[in-house]
Amino acid sequence: GNSVTQMEGPVTLSEEAFLTINCTYTATGYPSLFWYVQYPGEGLQLLLKATKADDKGSNKGFEATYRKETTSFHLEKGSVQVSDSAVYFCALRAMDSSYKLIFGSGTRLLVRP
Amino acid sequence: NAGVTQTPKFQVLKTGQSMTLQCAQDMNHNSMYWYRQDPGMGLRLIYYSASEGTTDKGEVPNGYNVSRLNKREFSLRLESAAPSQTSVYFCASKSITEAFFGQGTRLTVV
Repeated sequence: GNSVTQMEGPVTLSEEAFLTINCTYTATGYPSLFWYVQYPGEGLQLLLKATKADDKGSNKGFEATYRKETTSFHLEKGSVQVSDSAVYFCALRAMDSSYKLIFGSGTRLLVRP
Repeated sequence: NAGVTQTPKFQVLKTGQSMTLQCAQDMNHNSMYWYRQDPGMGLRLIYYSASEGTTDKGEVPNGYNVSRLNKREFSLRLESAAPSQTSVYFCASKSITEAFFGQGTRLTVV
């Protein structure tokens, strides 16, 4: 079946530190992969996506590369800001007829000044 | 540019009470979803609707019913609320490439 595994949080970093949040997946076929971000008190927003192997999604300084050989889609940012504090969800879109989104458990990021 | 609108934002129910969570989208999407979010468990799919007139069970459908009233609206009903249904509920609608989420409904069942 389809599943997404994320590193457990919380992740606490100082401002300007390098961020990596690990995400691996299990899926049938070649799913599309996503990172969503949830700021406090809000719904989820799409951060970036990749639809095929070796694609790199990027947005707001965040990047993630679709690695088919390691079934991974790790999120990175070179220099985090306090405003990046949020919960980050990795997700895949099932390639069966449902096209459902399957989410990981989320990783809370706290960036301190 | 409303996107996905959920009501209410907060609700407290007593065990055994019923209620309906409302969701509407103005993006003309075919697919709509209901998720619940619990600490440490991410988002779990309750029900989804691939198109107007169709609904299917997700990962955790027990204790819930849904209605896809028309293309815009997808409601979630709790017939007899239980404390285990205390959660934050999110509605989403999806284009081919992206899902859009509502602000969520924080439900407490006492």
